[in-house]
Amino acid sequence: EVQLVESGGGLIQPGGSLRLSCSASGFTVSSDYMTWVRQAPGKGLEWVSIIYNNDNTYYADSVRGRFTVSRDSSKNTLYLQMNSLRAEDTAVYYCARIPVTTDAFDIWGPGTMVTVSS
Amino acid sequence: QSALTQPPSASGSPGQSVTISCTGTSSDVGGYNFVSWYQQHPGKAPKLMIYAVHKRPSGVPDRFSGSKSGNTASLTVSGLQAEDEADYYCSSYSGNNKYVFGTGTKVTVL
Repeated sequence: EVQLVESGGGLIQPGGSLRLSCSASGFTVSSDYMTWVRQAPGKGLEWVSIIYNNDNTYYADSVRGRFTVSRDSSKNTLYLQMNSLRAEDTAVYYCARIPVTTDAFDIWGPGTMVTVSS
Repeated sequence: QSALTQPPSASGSPGQSVTISCTGTSSDVGGYNFVSWYQQHPGKAPKLMIYAVHKRPSGVPDRFSGSKSGNTASLTVSGLQAEDEADYYCSSYSGNNKYVFGTGTKVTVL
């Protein structure tokens, strides 16, 4: 079964750092595009970042310079390193797959909550 | 990177149809045939319903259909059922290796 499961969320103080993980099963994270999408409480979806199968990475303006997406093919896991966290980064963070043939987010994890607060 | 514009709410009685619009610009919706639609029930992850403007993934009922005209895409849900009550989001590739989502529409089955 094709599946994604995020972990690593929690409560963190403003200015702090957190690393989210997204474990994949049923496919390899290096074979497709992998993304992070977040959703603030009661708000809509916001695209955060993408890593292509050639390892190129891109970010939303709101997180560029603070967040870094990466993957470990040996662990079949995607990561999101989040630094200099702000209150406005509080959200549920989802990892999602974009198959190279569709340009759509076809598989989503259940999400992990990140709360930035003092 | 402005969000695509969707109506906040839409509703219909069981068996009726509802259409949700998604308005962007020539730099996103109008510039690419990479519009997709997602259904999200409360507390759950989004689910892909339509991709490439009008294509349905395996397992999605044919009651869901998508289209696009200019800078506006649309999702139509025909034969509304109680389980269709959810939030719906559109998304589009917006160039420069970025994606954008819509503001979201809450669909209520009366």
